[in-house]
Amino acid sequence: GQNIDQPTEMTATEGAIVQINCTYQTSGFNGLFWYQQHAGEAPTFLSYNVLDGLEEKGRFSSFLSRSKGYSYLLLKELQMKDSASYLCAVKSGGSYIPTFGRGTSLIVHP
Amino acid sequence: DTGVSQDPRHKITKRGQNVTFRCDPISEHNRLYWYRQTLGQGPEFLTYFQNEAQLEKSRLLSDRFSAERPKGSFSTLEIQRTEQGDSAMYLCASSSIVGPNTEAFFGQGTRLTVV
Repeated sequence: GQNIDQPTEMTATEGAIVQINCTYQTSGFNGLFWYQQHAGEAPTFLSYNVLDGLEEKGRFSSFLSRSKGYSYLLLKELQMKDSASYLCAVKSGGSYIPTFGRGTSLIVHP
Repeated sequence: DTGVSQDPRHKITKRGQNVTFRCDPISEHNRLYWYRQTLGQGPEFLTYFQNEAQLEKSRLLSDRFSAERPKGSFSTLEIQRTEQGDSAMYLCASSSIVGPNTEAFFGQGTRLTVV
């Protein structure tokens, strides 16, 4: 099976930088996704990492270390609209099915 | 194509009734997934189709749940003899075989309330 761990909740100030961590334990790692989900809406894709290193996409970056079973999502220049749940999901063992963590609820305040 | 479409968006049913949800994936996507999500939790995998074949099913999935994708296009998820514990958001997602990322695109979900 898989074990995916994320903090339950984080708060940050508008304009600041926040890092959301995700650790996982799995066999046959095959990729890690980050999704954003606003309350009552569908998850939307943010990033995908399969190799070690940093992937940058505008204000959002995602980092992966396969040897440590660790990823983080970095959000810069936070805006109020970034208040949402951030979901880490892992594919492993030759499966095409992403397994999700419980998500991190990010609250951005003025 | 406007993305993954799910119908209905909301369903309220009495305990013991059967319900059926529909998902229309992005048209060129071969893979289709059903997930269930409750408040404060991440999506929980239910079942997976590649074209019309149901290739994986969660061990947590009760035999009251059944899913089909008869022509490899739209899919239905049926819950028989609903229980209050079935109340959740049911999410459908699809992805393509082609391409390096194969990220899943989600529909807006069907929110089920069992009373």
